[in-house]
Amino acid sequence: GENVEQHPSTLSVQEGDSAVIKCTYSDSASNYFPWYKQELGKRPQLIIDIRSNVGEKKDQRIAVTLNKTAKHFSLHITETQPEDSAVYFCAANPLGSNYQLIWGAGTKLIIKP
Amino acid sequence: GAVVSQHPSRVICKSGTSVKIECRSLDFQATTMFWYRQFPKQSLMLMATSNEGSKATYEQGVEKDKFLINHASLTLSTLTVTSAHPEDSSFYICSAPPRGKVADTQYFGPGTRLTVL
Repeated sequence: GENVEQHPSTLSVQEGDSAVIKCTYSDSASNYFPWYKQELGKRPQLIIDIRSNVGEKKDQRIAVTLNKTAKHFSLHITETQPEDSAVYFCAANPLGSNYQLIWGAGTKLIIKP
Repeated sequence: GAVVSQHPSRVICKSGTSVKIECRSLDFQATTMFWYRQFPKQSLMLMATSNEGSKATYEQGVEKDKFLINHASLTLSTLTVTSAHPEDSSFYICSAPPRGKVADTQYFGPGTRLTVL
């Protein structure tokens, strides 16, 4: 079955700098890769997603890249702000899994003022 | 956007009691709903997939007799933690993809914090 690995587990960056979180997946048939942001005690919120027929997607300060050959995808946050501090999860949706998401372990992003 | 609600948001109970958690899709139909458990500083762990009108599918290691799931309508799924014990204390979250969507966004409920004394 699918397995998703996420790195790093904790990332501390200076406010204004960029942050990059990386995930790898094992099932080449996976075709949908969302990124979620979760603040303490709250529900995960979808921040960006990408499908297997696209290599890159951008939404203001947030971008996701997908390398199908290497089976990895990354979240890029530019011009980080204090409100970006949260735990970020990547996930993969294996083809034919009936919407089920396989989750990464999460990355705690700390933005230093 | 699509809204998923959960009730209650927080519950404290004594060991040995049962607790029911409701997950509702407020403005869309969901033939499938997912139930997750999240321990502090950990990722979401899928417990089971709730299917409207049929039996739930449980992940390996999750006791179906302890975590009873009922998906009686296209907008409601319930999770009952039977004979709860302190180790069942966790954050329980449901999610649902809108009916008819393919591999699309899952909308999450706000979660239920269960504390078993």
